[in-house]
Amino acid sequence: QLQLQESGPGLVKPSETLSLTCTVSGGSISSSTYYWGWIRQPPGKGLEWIGSIYYSGNTYYNPSLKSRVTISVDTSKNHFSLKLSSVTAADTAVYSCASQFWSAWDRYFDSWGQGTLVTVSS
Amino acid sequence: QSVLTQPPSASGTPGQRVTISCSGSSSNIGSNYVYWYQQLPGTAPKLLIYRSDQRPSGVPDRFSASKSGTSASLAISGLRSEDEADYYCAAWDDSLSGPEFGGGTKLTVL
Repeated sequence: QLQLQESGPGLVKPSETLSLTCTVSGGSISSSTYYWGWIRQPPGKGLEWIGSIYYSGNTYYNPSLKSRVTISVDTSKNHFSLKLSSVTAADTAVYSCASQFWSAWDRYFDSWGQGTLVTVSS
Repeated sequence: QSVLTQPPSASGTPGQRVTISCSGSSSNIGSNYVYWYQQLPGTAPKLLIYRSDQRPSGVPDRFSASKSGTSASLAISGLRSEDEADYYCAAWDDSLSGPEFGGGTKLTVL
């Protein structure tokens, strides 16, 4: 059973860069079966996919955030990271990482981290 | 505003059957599998349904789902108090080239 844990600052100033890391345990991030994704949930609102990465470094991002998002992977540390630049109050949300099962027709998030609240405020 | 449309709320009494709808388009539900997630208060989402109508091991058979055209639905029978949660539908969107989530439905067990 995969376990994921987010880590990073809970408070970021406007215009700065939000940085989070997700550490994977119970399995290898180099699995051919999975992509690794970031999803966020603003307070009281629904889920928004941010982007995903394969262990090889292949990425795909939500077009609405693509210009500000960078997701990277470190297979030696079994973790992957999120950077979101030029943040505003609208980026305040619970950020979660998840394993994304990936096949030709099946793509879904099957294990999630507990999520971490990131507040954008001066 | 989410691409997949769900009612914001649903309710039922213990033992009842409730359904939650999810409406999309040809680029998502119409051409891809639908997934359902359950988010209990204060916890991470949990996969409830995959491939539109399949339950992962450990999910009670009280939960069922179906898809028709560009719409999908989740049914919960024998409603229990512990089913009170937010429910999200999701599907790959070919236009987005990524997964889309519905806005979520808050289920209240009266």
